[in-house]
Amino acid sequence: ELKVEQNPLFLSMQEGKNYTIYCNYSTTSDRLYWYRQDPGKSLESLFVLLSNGAVKQEGRLMASLDTKARLSTLHITAAVHDLSATYFCAVPRYSGGGADGLTFGKGTHLIIQP
Amino acid sequence: NAGVTQTPKFQVLKTGQSMTLQCAQDMNHEYMSWYRQDPGMGLRLIHYSVGAGITDQGEVPNGYNVSRSTTEDFPLRLLSAAPSQTSVYFCASSASSPGNTIYFGEGSWLTVV
Repeated sequence: ELKVEQNPLFLSMQEGKNYTIYCNYSTTSDRLYWYRQDPGKSLESLFVLLSNGAVKQEGRLMASLDTKARLSTLHITAAVHDLSATYFCAVPRYSGGGADGLTFGKGTHLIIQP
Repeated sequence: NAGVTQTPKFQVLKTGQSMTLQCAQDMNHEYMSWYRQDPGMGLRLIHYSVGAGITDQGEVPNGYNVSRSTTEDFPLRLLSAAPSQTSVYFCASSASSPGNTIYFGEGSWLTVV
């Protein structure tokens, strides 16, 4: 059974600081998704990582995937208040799958304080 | 630019009532799925479909039925609502090729009293 674990689950940090969210998963997968969710809102796609060693960056967020270690990281550089949200990683349940089923981590609730 | 549309956005049901959550997408996506989100649990897959006429169970299917008669629509039916089904429900869709972006609807907030 695929398990996806994120840590930390809660993170309070100051503006301007750097931090990393970790996502470990228990079975082989060559793809991983990162999403952002604001309170009361839907999920916004941040990154789709498609292969071992994949690295993608958008603004102050950078995501990477190590399929051998079954680990993905979401790195936040020089955090700003607008990045406060809950971040989820998700892994396809089946190799080759997509929206036919993702297993999500429990989410990292990120608060960035001035 | 509708994307994935869910209705209703909010609903209160009494225990034992039935209802259908609607999901429609206008992107001609083959794959569609339903998730529920509960506090501290992340999202959990209820049912999914890889095309019209094809559905399968996800992680938490009990108490829910689905059908997929068209590519565009994927309704989720609660046959006899229970308080444990109080949750936020999200519909998602994507094209079939691995690695495509998966789009989520705005969510349906359901309370069963």
